[in-house]
Order: sequence, then structure tokens, then C-alpha cells
Amino acid sequence: DAMVIQNPRYQVTQFGKPVTLSCSQTLNHNVMYWYQQKSSQAPKLLFHYYDKDFNNEADTPDNFQSRRPNTSFCFLDIRSPGLGDTAMYLCATSRASRGDTQYFGPGTRLTVL
Amino acid sequence: GEDVEQSLFLSVREGDSSVINCTYTDSSSTYLYWYKQEPGAGLQLLTYIFSNMDMKQDQRLTVLLNKKDKHLSLRIADTQTGDSAIYFCAESPPGAGSYQLTFGKGTKLSVIP
Repeated sequence: DAMVIQNPRYQVTQFGKPVTLSCSQTLNHNVMYWYQQKSSQAPKLLFHYYDKDFNNEADTPDNFQSRRPNTSFCFLDIRSPGLGDTAMYLCATSRASRGDTQYFGPGTRLTVL
Repeated sequence: GEDVEQSLFLSVREGDSSVINCTYTDSSSTYLYWYKQEPGAGLQLLTYIFSNMDMKQDQRLTVLLNKKDKHLSLRIADTQTGDSAIYFCAESPPGAGSYQLTFGKGTKLSVIP
């Protein structure tokens, strides 16, 4: 049974056209994360939520926003996608504290044309 | 700063053992992880080791940790074609601040039938 679900699995958007990626979890975990993974690179953390507390990484562009309306769902909004935002976007969850194992979803592959 | 390094490629014959190596720099890391990523997919947690352990075995997987040398390895016994994937080493440093996992760039394992 899927525990971290991401929709859509593939998304194509035009330069500058806003896009929203969705993540849901059935694990009832407190922490949810969004990572960006460009081709042949390691995943890079964009931000995470501890419950409703939002934590932005220092080098995450302002173009990237996130919402977590409830425990189960978290959204990644890209307000004005650029060509350089073409990447795999990975959602992950962990139970609570630092060091807890992170469980990843299957990812959304975003292509910006 | 933190840095996790892995060799980029490994090629083995089906049935042989694979050994994927990783070095890390933060000696205070609490947990060290191995994730597997198949083409176009998310990250699958394979195994992890707590920093007070030297070895962990789970079916075909053996993780060895040498804290003195900050070296982590993943051995896959009887490697199968389904093991072909990219393997990421990751560390979870303790302490205040980020929840970020620090990933290596990944080792691409190719299994030759």
C-alpha cells in the first residue's frame, strides 16, 4: 500500500505558467519535506513542515512556495517556473524528530518548456 | 561543512557481490542511510545504521560502518539485474538546526547478465 503519494507523476508546463504539485501521506507523520532533484544530482531540500511550522532552506528561491492544509497533505507551488526548474520533485515524510527515517514518494517529474 | 562522497559508477556481473562505498565528514552523524532509486522513480529506503553500530545485515544487504575513517559501505550479495539502480548514501547530522539529510551524488550500479 502506498504510504507517500504524489500527483501527478509527470507534469509539463510552460515557462512562467504557475504549477502545483501535490503530496499526501497515510503515515500520520509530523514532518513533510519537499526535495528538488535535477538530472544526475543528489536530492536538494527545498523546505519542510513540522506540523504547521514552515521551515525554508536558506537557498530556496522565492519562486517556490508550499502549503500544508492538514497533516495528510502538502503542496508545492511554483509561481513562475523557469527552464531551470525542470527536475524531479520528491516529497518525503518522517515521524517527528531529527534523525527519524525519511520515507519518500515516487516523485513528480516536472518539465518546463 | 558536511560532504558525502561516493564513486559515480559500479559495474558487476549477475551473481557477484557488489560493494558500494561512501565517505562522510560529519563524525557526529547519528544515522547513516542507503536509498535506492530506480529510473524515473522516487527514493526507496534500503537500510540504515545507527552510529554506535559497526555492522548491520538484512537478507542480501550488509552495511559496514567504520567511524574512525568515516567510511560506510553497502554490500549486495548475489547481485541481480533488478538491483540495477542508483544508490544514495545519506547522513543525518544531530543537533539544532536543519532536518536536512545530506546525500551523496549517488552510485549508478549496472548489473551485467
